[in-house]
Amino acid sequence: ELKVEQNPLFLSMQEGKNYTIYCNYSTTSDRLYWYRQDPGKSLESLFVLLSNGAVKQEGRLMASLDTKARLSTLHITAAVHDLSATYFCAVDADSGYALNFGKGTSLLVTP
Amino acid sequence: DVKVTQSSRYLVKRTGEKVFLECVQDMDHENMFWYRQDPGLGLRLIYFSYDVKMKEKGDIPEGYSVSREKKERFSLILESASTNQTSMYLCASSPPGGIIQPQHFGDGTRLSIL
Repeated sequence: ELKVEQNPLFLSMQEGKNYTIYCNYSTTSDRLYWYRQDPGKSLESLFVLLSNGAVKQEGRLMASLDTKARLSTLHITAAVHDLSATYFCAVDADSGYALNFGKGTSLLVTP
Repeated sequence: DVKVTQSSRYLVKRTGEKVFLECVQDMDHENMFWYRQDPGLGLRLIYFSYDVKMKEKGDIPEGYSVSREKKERFSLILESASTNQTSMYLCASSPPGGIIQPQHFGDGTRLSIL
């Protein structure tokens, strides 16, 4: 069974600071997805990482993938309040169709 | 843009009722999924379908069934609703496995079983 673990699960950080969210998964996969969810809203796709060493950046968020370590990171640079949300990583399950999600990291950015 | 539409944002039903949650996508995607989301548990896959009339069990199929009679529509059925099925239900769709795109999610249905 594919397990996906995120940490931390809760993160409170000050505006302007940097931080990293980690996503570990238990079996071989080279497709990893990051999603954002605002309270009461659905999931919005942020990044799709498809190969070892892949790095994607959008604004203050940068995601990377190390398939050998089975690790993805989501790095936040100079956080702003608008980044407050829950962030999920997800990995292709064995079936090749469905995704296994981490439990999510609830991020709160405070002044 | 892909649009995944779930028929209800909020739904309140009684224990023992048969409940239907509907999902429609407009991008001609082969794959469709039903998840439930609970605090502290993340998203868990209930069922998915990779073609019309095809279905596969996910991680937590007990107490649920699905129907996919048309490509654009995927229904989740709670045969006899119970209070432990109170949850947020999310529908998603994606193209076939050879096309790498993220799953696109609907806005969710918050279901309360009383």
